[in-house]
Amino acid sequence: QKEVEQDPGPLSVPEGAIVSLNCTYSNSAFQYFMWYRQYSRKGPELLMYTYSSGNKEDGRFTAQVDKSSKYISLFIRDSQPSDSATYLCAVNWGNTPLVFGKGTRLSVIA
Amino acid sequence: GAVVSQHPSRVICKSGTSVKIECRSLDFQATTMFWYRQFPKKSLMLMATSNEGSKATYEQGVEKDKFLINHASLTLSTLTVTSAHPEDSSFYICSARDRGQGGYTFGSGTRLTVV
Repeated sequence: QKEVEQDPGPLSVPEGAIVSLNCTYSNSAFQYFMWYRQYSRKGPELLMYTYSSGNKEDGRFTAQVDKSSKYISLFIRDSQPSDSATYLCAVNWGNTPLVFGKGTRLSVIA
Repeated sequence: GAVVSQHPSRVICKSGTSVKIECRSLDFQATTMFWYRQFPKKSLMLMATSNEGSKATYEQGVEKDKFLINHASLTLSTLTVTSAHPEDSSFYICSARDRGQGGYTFGSGTRLTVV
């Protein structure tokens, strides 16, 4: 079993839709949970960072962590064509390297 | 927020030559930096962990003599691809963590093409 599982998609939604992206992880030692957005031929951009169960909101983005189920989600409200990118979940503990999901390719159609 | 500057963004080199990629943390000190490689439409693959003032830790299967990493200061790590071959063509990305902000910040990446 991989440490982090993420549905690679691709996922295509109409503009304005609510997008739900999900990852599961296997190691309960993971303490930190991140979501990155990566546009083609660019480095990943940190969207959300959290370390506790529950929800964290930032503008149109909400990160949700359920440590008991080892499940993390990213919700995007009022999706825009500019949100079209690959979204990567990442986890780690301490100062260890990030463990990434495979990434989900999202297309928001105008 | 934390910024990691990576240069060059794109480089083309001939087979057999060496290429150096720089990664700088601009507004924070990074005792640890990470180097990744990414193939098209694939996720990031960790190559090595770069520690300031000491030897890098390489992941299994990564040739340390081919991918030389130097982390001489708290704000600069370099990756040198030695005796490059076409199969080394890839997208290389560095990252570092600003402890004050959480999360890891990534550079913009370097697209290496070996011809």
